[in-house]
Amino acid sequence: EDKVVQSPLSLVVHEGDTVTLNCSYEVTNFRSLLWYKQEKKAPTFLFMLTSSGIEKKSGRLSSILDKKELFSILNITATQTGDSAVYLCAVEKQTGANNLFFGTGTRLTVIP
Amino acid sequence: EAGVTQFPSHSVIEKGQTVTLRCDPISGHDNLYWYRRVMGKEIKFLLHFVKESKQDESGMPNNRFLAERTGGTYSTLKVQPAELEDSGVYFCASSRQGTNEKLFFGSGTQLSVL
Repeated sequence: EDKVVQSPLSLVVHEGDTVTLNCSYEVTNFRSLLWYKQEKKAPTFLFMLTSSGIEKKSGRLSSILDKKELFSILNITATQTGDSAVYLCAVEKQTGANNLFFGTGTRLTVIP
Repeated sequence: EAGVTQFPSHSVIEKGQTVTLRCDPISGHDNLYWYRRVMGKEIKFLLHFVKESKQDESGMPNNRFLAERTGGTYSTLKVQPAELEDSGVYFCASSRQGTNEKLFFGSGTQLSVL
């Protein structure tokens, strides 16, 4: 059965800290791994990863994929209160509309 | 560009009642998806429209759920009759092409069945 597991489930840090969020997966016919940020309501797209070892960066956020060990990490440096959100990992399969499998998310709280 | 909009944002109904959720995708997006998140669980696929046609409804829980997309524009998801286990957040998402990178989510409808 296809599954995506995120850890930790929740995390509380102070502003300025660096955090690492984890996502491991077991899916057949892997195509890509995606990270989303869900602040209040709608998940918003962060990264799409398809190749191992190539880091994607956007400001203080970065992510990398390991297709051999079947996991990805999302790093956030110099965290700010605005980074508080649920971070969702999803794995896309090669075929089919039912091809996006989500983890339960990591709830990050950044306190001043 | 207006985003994906969903209505209502919250709905509280009693078991046995009917509820209809609406999703307006981004204009020009042929692909429309419904997802559901039950409390404590992951977001799960319900179904996929391409324009007005149901491409895949393998995630629909049972025949109490009916989705339509009249004219290939907005979509509705009706639950009739609602059961307690139907409670959760129902997300709609749309995209112009098939890749999930360009998947835009709505804010969801929080459904509570009492």
